Amino acid sequence: KQEVTQIPAALSVPEGENLVLNCSFTDSAIYNLQWFRQDPGKGLTSLLLIQSSQREQTSGRLNASLDKSSGRSTLYIAASQPGDSATYLCAGRGVGAFNKFYFGSGTKLNVKP
Amino acid sequence: DGGITQSPKYLFRKEGQNVTLSCEQNLNHDAMYWYRQDPGQGLRLIYYSQIVNDFQKGDIAEGYSVSREKKESFPLTVTSAQKNPTAFYLCASTVTGGVEQFFGPGTRLTVL
Repeated sequence: KQEVTQIPAALSVPEGENLVLNCSFTDSAIYNLQWFRQDPGKGLTSLLLIQSSQREQTSGRLNASLDKSSGRSTLYIAASQPGDSATYLCAGRGVGAFNKFYFGSGTKLNVKP
Repeated sequence: DGGITQSPKYLFRKEGQNVTLSCEQNLNHDAMYWYRQDPGQGLRLIYYSQIVNDFQKGDIAEGYSVSREKKESFPLTVTSAQKNPTAFYLCASTVTGGVEQFFGPGTRLTVL
């Protein structure tokens, strides 16, 4: 059974720091990977999607990479801001599994002004 | 604007009651999903549907039921057989074979 681990579980940093959030899958056969942001009591907002043929994606201050050989993904946040405070979740779709996505439990980020 | 709507935002259930959570999408997506989220945990799949009139159990389907009579709608019923239903419920959709999931705003269910 696919297990997804996100490290760290929580992170508190001063504004302006560059951050790295990690996501790893026990089964490295991941077809694609998606990073989400979740604010308290809200649904998930898609941040970045790494397609099967890609290794990384960038959007503004966010960069995500996927190493399929190891089943690990990294979300890099540059120059963090208080508005980045939220929980960040990763989700991967298994190779061959119909649209079945596996989620990590998230990294709760607090960026202090 | 295209998107997914869930209602109600908050729902309270008494012991022994069945309740139904609504999920509607106007993205023209074929596949729809229901997830449950508990504090500090990842999302767990309850049911998913690839096409109208077809759906499959996910990892934690016991105590839940669904229907898919229309492409746009995928309601979830939490039955009295679900012993611990207090949680945050999220609905999502993708195109068939798609790799990007879109989520609704969620429904928080509390058992009184």
